[in-house]
Order: sequence, then structure tokens, then C-alpha cells
Amino acid sequence: GNSVTQMEGPVTLSEEAFLTINCTYTATGYPSLFWYVQYPGEGLQLLLKATKADDKGSNKGFEATYRKETTSFHLEKGSVQVSDSAVYFCALSDTGTASKLTFGTGTRLQVTL
Amino acid sequence: DAGVIQSPRHEVTEMGQEVTLRCKPISGHNSLFWYRQTMMRGLELLIYFNNNVPIDDSGMPEDRFSAKMPNASFSTLKIQPSEPRDSAVYFCASSPHNQPQHFGDGTRLSIL
Repeated sequence: GNSVTQMEGPVTLSEEAFLTINCTYTATGYPSLFWYVQYPGEGLQLLLKATKADDKGSNKGFEATYRKETTSFHLEKGSVQVSDSAVYFCALSDTGTASKLTFGTGTRLQVTL
Repeated sequence: DAGVIQSPRHEVTEMGQEVTLRCKPISGHNSLFWYRQTMMRGLELLIYFNNNVPIDDSGMPEDRFSAKMPNASFSTLKIQPSEPRDSAVYFCASSPHNQPQHFGDGTRLSIL
């Protein structure tokens, strides 16, 4: 079956540090890949997506590249801000982008001044 | 644009009581999903609907849980009878055909 593995948190960084959150997946076929972000007390929001190999999703300074050869979709940001503190979820969908999502366990990011 | 609207935002009730959670999807979205989030189990898909029809309810934990979608603009998730282990945050999400899901802000449920 499908699965998503994320690095465990919490991840604690100083403001302006470089961020990487690792995500690897197992899936049949050619899944679409997503990063969602959850701020305290809120639902999940789509951060970025990629639908085929070598696609790069980007939004708000975050980037992730769909790597089929390593089955990975690592999230990166060059310079984090305190406002980026949240929980980040990697997810995949294997039959179109509206079908059921398989989520990772989430990685909590804490950015300090 | 109004997002996915869930009600209530918070619910505290005693075990054995019936609990009904409500969701209004974004207008025009034809898929609707119910999730449960806990510290121990993370985010779990309970059930999802396409065009008001339940497609996959394999995540519904047991017969105490039921979900309905009587029309395109409303869905309910019901727990009867409720138990303390049902305490969690329940999310509803909706999506148009072949587009990413949009989540509501969730219902925080506490069963005493």
C-alpha cells in the first residue's frame, strides 16, 4: 500500500536559517505529491504540490522537487521566519489530485528569534 | 470566498451521548472528506464522498460512527454512543474534481 515517511520533529531553527524537512514515499504508479501546513488551531492548508517526476512545487519561499529515482519530496526554504512555525505534512495521492490522500505523521517546526 | 465551514468548533460532552459534527463544503466542490487527528495516530481519513455518494468508508473506526451527505452543500459525522477515546480534532475537507483538498478549521471534540 501507499505510505509516506517524514523526518521526526520537532525541528528548532533560528530565524533566517535554512530548512530541510525530509519526505520519502512508497506508492504504486505515479502519485501526485503535496506539502500541507497546519498553523495552531487551524486546518491544513495546501503549501505546494507536484504532479509528475522532476516537477518543482514552490510557494511562499518553500520548494520541493519530485524525485522519482529516490522516491522523495523534501521541503526546503532558504531563510525561515518566526511566522513559519507550524506543523508540516507530506502527502501523496495516487489516482488524481482529488482522491484520498495518504499523509505522513507531520513535522513540527519551531523558529526562534 | 467562504472556505469549508465546520460546526461546532468545540464540543464537550459526556460519554454515551450522541455527537453530531457538521460540514459545509465549498460551493462547487464535488468531493468531501472526513478526517480525525490525534497525537497518537496522527491524521486519519475516516470516509469520503464523491457527488454525495460514499466511496470509501474503510477508515470509519466502528459502527458507532456514521456519516451522511444528503446534498452537495452539507454533511454530518455522527458518533453514537460517544466514548472518551473518540476525543480528537475532526476535520472536513472538500475538493473540486482532480484538484487539491481544502480543509476546514476542525471541530475539537472532548468526551468526558
